[in-house]
Amino acid sequence: TQLLEQSPQFLSIQEGENLTVYCNSSSVFSSLQWYRQEPGEGPVLLVTVVTGGEVKKLKRLTFQFGDARKDSSLHITAAQPGDTGLYLCAGANTGNQFYFGTGTSLTVIP
Amino acid sequence: DVKVTQSSRYLVKRTGEKVFLECVQDMDHENMFWYRQDPGLGLRLIYFSYDVKMKEKGDIPEGYSVSREKKERFSLILESASTNQTSMYLCASSAWWGAGEQYVGPGTRLTVT
Repeated sequence: TQLLEQSPQFLSIQEGENLTVYCNSSSVFSSLQWYRQEPGEGPVLLVTVVTGGEVKKLKRLTFQFGDARKDSSLHITAAQPGDTGLYLCAGANTGNQFYFGTGTSLTVIP
Repeated sequence: DVKVTQSSRYLVKRTGEKVFLECVQDMDHENMFWYRQDPGLGLRLIYFSYDVKMKEKGDIPEGYSVSREKKERFSLILESASTNQTSMYLCASSAWWGAGEQYVGPGTRLTVT
């Protein structure tokens, strides 16, 4: 069962542009993780958000957890080619199961 | 530095072979998971385990089994490999309590010919 929808599915932008990726669900999660995955590699954990409304920053990346803990967004400022990859969100429920989103494939063109 | 390791990065097997994929985590995590990742389908949960010798079916357990004899090790077994099991297999672990962070291994790219 796919509980998390990510949008957009594909994104191609020029270096220096800003972008936002969305992760939406009708379910409430106890926490939500964002990962970046490069081709042929496993997803690398970027951040975990736990509290509704929480905002976390990781250099040029800003992550927000929705007030109702059903959705999240990832905003990248001044994207760089090194940001290229597949971005995945994953929500955890109280039973410690994780549900992954379908992913957003980002390409940053130099 | 947390770490989930998988025994092989690339594996090529023939149809009908029995295949073992091994995963080890060094974080003393209670929970361990096996996913497969396919283009357009995302990550799908095969099996997970909350404790030693415990296992639960995920969304797509058919054709797979698992073994967890030690807390740090979780094995995925393909009893008789088939071509539709060609995929990227990802192992992950998380603590029972806490923020619910799940760490994912580097993956095993399995090709069944």
